[in-house]
Amino acid sequence: GDSVTQMEGPVTLSEEAFLTINCTYTATGYPSLFWYVQYPGEGLQLLLKATKADDKGSNKGFEATYRKETTSFHLEKGSVQVSDSAVYFCALSNQGGADGLTFGKGTHLIIQP
Amino acid sequence: NAGVTQTPKFRVLKTGQSMTLLCAQDMNHEYMYWYRQDPGMGLRLIHYSVGEGTTAKGEVPDGYNVSRLKKQNFLLGLESAAPSQTSVYFCASSYTPGSGLGGTDTQYFGPGTRLTVL
Repeated sequence: GDSVTQMEGPVTLSEEAFLTINCTYTATGYPSLFWYVQYPGEGLQLLLKATKADDKGSNKGFEATYRKETTSFHLEKGSVQVSDSAVYFCALSNQGGADGLTFGKGTHLIIQP
Repeated sequence: NAGVTQTPKFRVLKTGQSMTLLCAQDMNHEYMYWYRQDPGMGLRLIHYSVGEGTTAKGEVPDGYNVSRLKKQNFLLGLESAAPSQTSVYFCASSYTPGSGLGGTDTQYFGPGTRLTVL
């Protein structure tokens, strides 16, 4: 079946540091890929997505590129802020998402001032 | 728009008790989902629905039942709660995949229900 593997945290960085959170996937066909973010005590929010190979999703300074050759969708940000502290989930949907998303285990990001 | 709302926010049950979690959405979405979130496990799909009156099993359906009597509501029931069902439960909804509405595949999540079974 489909699966998503992402680096597990916690990941601790200083403010203004460069961020990379690795995500790789296993899936049949041509899945859509997502990054969701969960702030403390809240539900998940879509951060960005890409629906086909070589697409780049971007939002709030975060970027991720759909790499089919390496089955990866790594999340990057050039300069993190304390407000970026949260749990980040990589996810995929197959068959148009009709049967739900497959999530990675989540990466807890802590940004220190 | 309230988006996706969940009731209650917190609940403590004793083993063997029953309860129903309510999810409501006001975005006219066809698809609705129930996930559970456990430490170190990410989110796992319990049940989902592709429209009013329909439901289907997800990855971890045992011990749960669901109903979708109205398009805007999706209920998750625990008939006899067990400590293994202690978790945070999230509801989500989406437009019909491939419909071209709202962006393909995007799911919108509620704030979650934290359930503890003693």
